[in-house]
Amino acid sequence: GESVGLHLPTLSVQEGDNSIINCAYSNSASDYFIWYKQESGKGPQFIIDIRSNMDKRQGQRVTVLLNKTVKHLSLQIAATQPGDSAVYFCAESTGGSYIPTFGRGTSLIVHP
Amino acid sequence: DAGVTQSPTHLIKTRGQQVTLRCSPKSGHDTVSWYQQALGQGPQFIFQYYEEEERQRGNFPDRFSGHQFPNYSSELNVNALLLGDSALYLCASSQRGGRWNSPLHFGNGTRLTVT
Repeated sequence: GESVGLHLPTLSVQEGDNSIINCAYSNSASDYFIWYKQESGKGPQFIIDIRSNMDKRQGQRVTVLLNKTVKHLSLQIAATQPGDSAVYFCAESTGGSYIPTFGRGTSLIVHP
Repeated sequence: DAGVTQSPTHLIKTRGQQVTLRCSPKSGHDTVSWYQQALGQGPQFIFQYYEEEERQRGNFPDRFSGHQFPNYSSELNVNALLLGDSALYLCASSQRGGRWNSPLHFGNGTRLTVT
């Protein structure tokens, strides 16, 4: 069936480096994509979203890139900090469904 | 502005028992979705409530049921608990309506352990 998946289950970076977390999706009908951050013992926290009529969106220290041609989504975190250590999920939904489908997640580990 | 609140935070039940989990949505939100998150996995959609009705349902058995109240709060009920129901149950709220989706705002979940 249609699914959202991540290329790398774990990403380790040094504090201050830039991090890139990748996500592949298979549902070509998906038109809304969201990145969530989940810290241990907490629920997923919304980071940034992007709609399919855009290919890039920037937030505070984060940038999401969308490549619809290859059905690929990435989250870039600038100047990664220890507080960024968490599991990151990409999620996608189809217009009108209001139900995002989550991938498995990538664990980001930031070394001081 | 209170975010999504869930209760209880932890719960231990025995196989065959029934459980009720509760959720209050973020202020201004009218839609509640429930997700089950097994250890090391992404959240899996159970169902969504809007206007006190179940609007969409994921691939979960009828043992999982829910309710939404006029104040938009919601309950998740699970009957005849199985060991495999042990998971983190997440409630998420959002605003429905309009052409574009709005992001879900999650609570911190209820950790259910079935023994």
